[in-house]
Amino acid sequence: AQSVTQLDSHVSVSEGTPVLLRCNYSSSYSPSLFWYVQHPNKGLQLLLKYTSAATLVKGINGFEAEFKKSETSFHLTKPSAHMSDAAEYFCVVSDLSNTGKLIFGQGTTLQVKP
Amino acid sequence: SQTIHQWPATLVQPVGSPLSLECTVEGTSNPNLYWYRQAAGRGLQLLFYSVGIGQISSEVPQNLSASRPQDRQFILSSKKLLLSDSGFYLCAWSVLQGRETQYFGPGTRLLVL
Repeated sequence: AQSVTQLDSHVSVSEGTPVLLRCNYSSSYSPSLFWYVQHPNKGLQLLLKYTSAATLVKGINGFEAEFKKSETSFHLTKPSAHMSDAAEYFCVVSDLSNTGKLIFGQGTTLQVKP
Repeated sequence: SQTIHQWPATLVQPVGSPLSLECTVEGTSNPNLYWYRQAAGRGLQLLFYSVGIGQISSEVPQNLSASRPQDRQFILSSKKLLLSDSGFYLCAWSVLQGRETQYFGPGTRLLVL
């Protein structure tokens, strides 16, 4: 069965410093993996998606993630945090059925301090 | 381009009252449609999904139901709301099947008092 684990429920960084949000996945097959961001009282916005092409995936707003099969990880990074990056981030894996269902991690709250 | 709408944006309802939340998608045909609930401080829970008109699958037993009367319309309903139905309800769509990105609507904040 597919699953994802976000290793940190809260991450706090200072503005201008790097961001690292950690995600491990479990999958019997080559997975499709996503990172979504949710600002308060808003819907979810897709940051980036991995679908077995390049292992380093670049997304919007300067975010990127690297798929590491040997470590079953898909960590999200950004070189320099902005205040506007403060939000909830979800690591997600697609199940392999034809329904297109997604399996969400519990989320990581990113706090950016001035 | 495709867009997804949800309304109302916020709703305050008394316990025992009915509920109807609507989601519509524009710019695509025969999408997969999904309803999620996000309780305070929690991740997303998939409630229902639909792969076509009139085809609804329920993920968890609950006080809610869903319907898909038209290709791009997805409705979440309840006959009698419970306090535990409070939360943030998100609709999403995807194309084709399997592995595809889901695109989310802006959500409806429901408070049951």
